[in-house]
Amino acid sequence: AQSVTQPDIHITVSEGASLELRCNYSYGATPYLFWYVQSPGQGLQLLLKYFSGDTLVQGIKGFEAEFKRSQSSFNLRKPSVHWSDAAEYFCAVGAEGGASKIIFGSGTRLSIRP
Amino acid sequence: DAGVIQSPRHEVTEMGQEVTLRCKPISGHDYLFWYRQTMMRGLELLIYFNNNVPIDDSGMPEDRFSAKMPNASFSTLKIQPSEPRDSAVYFCASSLTGDNQPQHFGDGTRLSIL
Repeated sequence: AQSVTQPDIHITVSEGASLELRCNYSYGATPYLFWYVQSPGQGLQLLLKYFSGDTLVQGIKGFEAEFKRSQSSFNLRKPSVHWSDAAEYFCAVGAEGGASKIIFGSGTRLSIRP
Repeated sequence: DAGVIQSPRHEVTEMGQEVTLRCKPISGHDYLFWYRQTMMRGLELLIYFNNNVPIDDSGMPEDRFSAKMPNASFSTLKIQPSEPRDSAVYFCASSLTGDNQPQHFGDGTRLSIL
């Protein structure tokens, strides 16, 4: 069965520093992968998605993610974080068999140090 | 374009009362999902519909929970009778058909059962 693991529950980085959030997935075939962000009091917003092609995917708000099949990973990166990036980040994989169902990871909470 | 619209944004009620949460998906989307989010359990898929038909309700916690989708532009999630442990944020999301289609989330309903 598909699954998504986000090993870091909470990360704190300084404003202006680089960021990498880890995500590992378990999937039988070529996965459909997503990163979502949830700001306090709001719903989840799609940052980026991968389903084929270039393994480095660009998203909104300056985020990017790299798909590495050999490591079953889809880590999210940003070269320089801003205080407004403080939020919860969810990695997700599309369920096998389609039906548009998505399996979400448990999330990583990002705090920004001034 | 209007996103997924949920109402009410906040609901406070006493245990034993009936609670009805409402969702209007994005026009043209044929999948609709109901999620529950809590600190302890994270984001849980409760039920999802395709073309107004319930496909998988295995995540509905108990018979006190029910969901309907009478037409393509409206869905309800009902809890009767409500209990304090039902307190959570409930999200509705919608998507187009396809394995690589992201889900679009509403801003959620924060439910508090006293």
